[in-house]
Amino acid sequence: DAGVTQSPTHLIKTRGQQVTLRCSPKSGHDTVSWYQQALGQGPQFIFQYYEEEERQRGNFPDRFSGHQYPNYSSELNVNALLLGDSALYLCASSWDNYGYTFGSGTRLTVV
Amino acid sequence: ILNVEQSPQSLHVQEGDSTNFTCSFPSSNFYALHWYRWETAKSPEALFVMTLNGDEKKKGRISATLNTKEGYSYLYIKGSQPEDSATYLCAPTQGGSEKLVFGKGTKLTVNP
Repeated sequence: DAGVTQSPTHLIKTRGQQVTLRCSPKSGHDTVSWYQQALGQGPQFIFQYYEEEERQRGNFPDRFSGHQYPNYSSELNVNALLLGDSALYLCASSWDNYGYTFGSGTRLTVV
Repeated sequence: ILNVEQSPQSLHVQEGDSTNFTCSFPSSNFYALHWYRWETAKSPEALFVMTLNGDEKKKGRISATLNTKEGYSYLYIKGSQPEDSATYLCAPTQGGSEKLVFGKGTKLTVNP
């Protein structure tokens, strides 16, 4: 049984560019959450998608947006990249918001 | 803002030692406490989800306790093995919120 799949695993972008990260949830899961982990910090909640709608959002600017598709897969888009957006981006899926399964993340480097 | 503290920040023990670490969180509006184990270059692995005051959970040599009234949880590892080396993260959730609020983690290194 495949767990949470994230792509790509690594990405290098230039300041000002836009990036799209992708997540396929674990089979049977319908909710997807995105987290950002900066160096030396714990993961920070970006937002959660359920039934193709953003259900809750963390303290991130509007440059961070997302989407969920009918098959429950999700995308995280970041516009106008800043150096400070360099981080590990984690996707987590769940069925009842009780237990979350995480992917191994996408490492984004902004230069 | 929910402030989650984990201590110690890092820990080095010898194989066979037992160890424990702490997660502190605000007790108000508490809903659940999640513990994760995260090995380098892998995905965080769920260990426990705890909801009730006084809860104790066990998975092999790892166990956890929860005190929701005073806002803390302990994670214990009995007879540490090198494969236990990882960062252990705790994350409480509050009522009405979907988000996990993570601490910075405790990095455990078990030397053979």
